[in-house]
Amino acid sequence: QKEVEQDPGPLSVPEGAIVSLNCTYSNSAFQYFMWYRQYSRKGPELLMYTYSSGNKEDGRFTAQVDKSSKYISLFIRDSQPSDSATYLCAAQGGSEKLVFGKGTKLTVNP
Amino acid sequence: DGGITQSPKYLFRKEGQNVTLSCEQNLNHDAMYWYRQDPGQGLRLIYYSQIVNDFQKGDIAEGYSVSREKKESFPLTVTSAQKNPTAFYLCASTFLREVGRTGELFFGEGSRLTVL
Repeated sequence: QKEVEQDPGPLSVPEGAIVSLNCTYSNSAFQYFMWYRQYSRKGPELLMYTYSSGNKEDGRFTAQVDKSSKYISLFIRDSQPSDSATYLCAAQGGSEKLVFGKGTKLTVNP
Repeated sequence: DGGITQSPKYLFRKEGQNVTLSCEQNLNHDAMYWYRQDPGQGLRLIYYSQIVNDFQKGDIAEGYSVSREKKESFPLTVTSAQKNPTAFYLCASTFLREVGRTGELFFGEGSRLTVL
């Protein structure tokens, strides 16, 4: 079982929709959780960074971690066409290297 | 502007040739990484370096080599031993913090290598 599982999609939503992106992980040592956004033919950029369980909000983006169920979520409110990208979740902890999910491709249609 | 510069952006190679991808950062980051990205596969770690003149193999190091002679530079050579080198290659860097916390990676724009 891969350590971080992510549904690759693709996911297509209308502009203004609430988007929910999710990952699950298997390693209990993970305590740092990240979401990266990658536009086509570009390098990923860090979008959200959370430690342990809980929520973190930044504008239209909310990252949520539930360590009891080993579930990582990213919510995008009022989605815009400019949010169209591939979203990668990642996790790390202890002496473990950073582990990425495979990414979910999101398209927001105007 | 501070950042990570990868070059070339696109590269074509004939089978049997070695090629070197450049990665330079001016962020004063300690650690540097090379990832390979294939469709549907996510990011896979090739090599990483946390200090000058030292580097470690990642998950898919076979057929690749690196050097870290300067803090700012971490070039990757794709050798002829790499059986399937066509891919998108990403360089990243970060500050070293406490053990297990190096996830705040800054990525370059990537280099797309195609073997003809």
